[in-house]
Parts: sequence; C-alpha cells; structure tokens
Amino acid sequence: ETGVTQTPRHLVMGMTNKKSLKCEQHLGHNAMYWYKQSAKKPLELMFVYSLEERVENNSVPSRFSPECPNSSHLFLHLHTLQPEDSALYLCASSPRTSGTYNEQFFGPGTRLTVL
Amino acid sequence: RKEVEQDPGPFNVPEGATVAFNCTYSNSASQSFFWYRQDCRKEPKLLMSVYSSGNEDGRFTAQLNRASQYISLLIRDSKLSDSATYLCVVTPNTNAGKSTFGDGTTLTVKP
Repeated sequence: ETGVTQTPRHLVMGMTNKKSLKCEQHLGHNAMYWYKQSAKKPLELMFVYSLEERVENNSVPSRFSPECPNSSHLFLHLHTLQPEDSALYLCASSPRTSGTYNEQFFGPGTRLTVL
Repeated sequence: RKEVEQDPGPFNVPEGATVAFNCTYSNSASQSFFWYRQDCRKEPKLLMSVYSSGNEDGRFTAQLNRASQYISLLIRDSKLSDSATYLCVVTPNTNAGKSTFGDGTTLTVKP
C-alpha cells in the first residue's frame, strides 16, 4: 500500500456536471500533487501544494479547481469538462517540495470519463 | 528537445535476459533521479532512487553519469513480472514540484 488513497476510483460524468476528486495521504508528507495521464501519454503535472499553499499551477484550465484544506487532503473540483479531459487523474505526495531524493508516492488514481 | 528522453522501446525479451534502459536529461542543475515502474492502468510506483555512486537492489542496478547527463537501469535475470513501463524521473534540487517524467519505456518479458 502506498499510503495515498483516492476516491472515487472511476467516474463518468457529463459535460455539465460538477464533481470532485478526493485524495488523502497517510504518510505525514507536506507536499501534494495532481497529475493527469491521458491514454498512452506521459504524466502531466497540474498542481502542487506545499503545506496547503499552492506553489505550482501548470497552466491548467479553470474548469479544474484544486483545494487543499490541510496537508493530508487534496481535492480537485471539476465543472463543465470536455471529452478530451477524460484521463487518469493521479494524486501524489512527497515529504516536501525541495531537497534531494524527495520521492513522490502516488495514489491509485481516478479514471475519469467525460461524455 | 525534451527535458527527459528515454529509450523509445518497446523492449521484448525472454525470461532470464538482461535488459538496460537509458534516460538522458537536459537540465544540468538536476539533482535527484528516480526510476518508477507503472503497470498497465495502474499508478507509478517508485522502483529505486539513483545515487551518484550507483546503487543496486537485487536484480536491479541504477547508474548516474552526470558528465553525460544520463541515468540507466539494468535488470538482470528478467522475470515475467518485470513486464511494465519504466519511467525515468528527474528533479531539480530546489523544487520537487518541477519533477519531469520521461515518456516511459515499455518492457515485455516473454516465457
């Protein structure tokens, strides 16, 4: 077990729906991340939080809205998505955002399908 | 040029074979290096960190060549269970949020 959990594991939504993805880490880490992985494509970093403060936003469309209420929880709020947003959304955590050998540990992901 | 480039693969090898993957990076300020493995439709899992002096974990050996800016992963005595996509990850010391993942190299080990 990685110590990072994500819910739901699968989500199907229409373009007008609003949904949220949840991530929780039980590792005592201070940094959390959202990644998107489309079919047969590399991981794309979306957001980085350090101690609940957003430190990175990789030009992600505003229809994706992250929230980090504390260092253990991370949400990704979704609204008016497009079919091309269908992908595996992965959450990760690491002890911190700087320093050497700051390994990231991933959750199992939420497989999102937008109809 | 991509920041991190991996052998395109795929690699198809018989059980028991030795296989090596290479990964080159463009940012000379990179300080931390990792290999992850990702099984089909699963999350990436840390396989091993890559230390300057090189390191070994069972059948897996990772090496770093800073002068040439590449890292490698050697798998000896391949098992069927080694079939996966192997991701090279490069991180600047100051910002783990800037970790760059390679596209991955797919390995299939056949009986």
